[in-house]
Amino acid sequence: DIVMTQSPDSLGVSLGERATMNCKSSQSLLYSSNKKNYLAWYQQKPGQPPKLLIYWASTRESGVPDRFSGSGSGTDFTLTISSLQAEDVAVYYCQQYYNTPRTFGQGTKVEIK
Amino acid sequence: EVQLVESGGGLVQPGGSLRLSCAASGFTFSAYWMHWVRQVPGKGLVWVSRISGDGSSATSADSVKGRFTISRDSARNTLYLQMNSLRAEDTGVYFCARGGNSRETAGDNWLDPWGQGTLVTVSS
Repeated sequence: DIVMTQSPDSLGVSLGERATMNCKSSQSLLYSSNKKNYLAWYQQKPGQPPKLLIYWASTRESGVPDRFSGSGSGTDFTLTISSLQAEDVAVYYCQQYYNTPRTFGQGTKVEIK
Repeated sequence: EVQLVESGGGLVQPGGSLRLSCAASGFTFSAYWMHWVRQVPGKGLVWVSRISGDGSSATSADSVKGRFTISRDSARNTLYLQMNSLRAEDTGVYFCARGGNSRETAGDNWLDPWGQGTLVTVSS
């Protein structure tokens, strides 16, 4: 199974400041035939289901604010919130869809400092 | 609007059975992979199982193999999870989620959208 490890576990950021979180996979998520990274990012607010933010490691889902961006390739990925808003307080998960079983990182909790 | 609504959760004793349902609307149900994901309240996400659009291919996590069965009924636009021999560690909120389009080259991929979830509690 591919192990997904996120860091840090929690992050306190001031409003308007940048939040950066990382996700590392135990094997490459880059598929050689199409040069795509099989990684997604989700946001989960309390009492709600996860919501898709980013797929193919860096493609923003329709309707997601452009302050959210994804980067990275192979085994190392980053989700950045360029200017933290109050509504961004949530737990963020990365997930690989390179193979089954699908696996998730343990989550990074983003709070207001 | 694409919508997924789970039902069937509840309190069950260890060793018991439960069948979860996920009613889908707003998209061509038979074209998409569908998944079940579990979350213990306050904890992370754990993938459980998936099934192809035509139901011909299904895969489950090792922890539930031989106990849980995923299935679908395209006439009813409904996804199911039959859960047998339940254990305390199966406790959690079960979400259904739509995967990729089976009819496209990219196949199965990210999960979007997700339902609101249904709570399963296994306890004596």
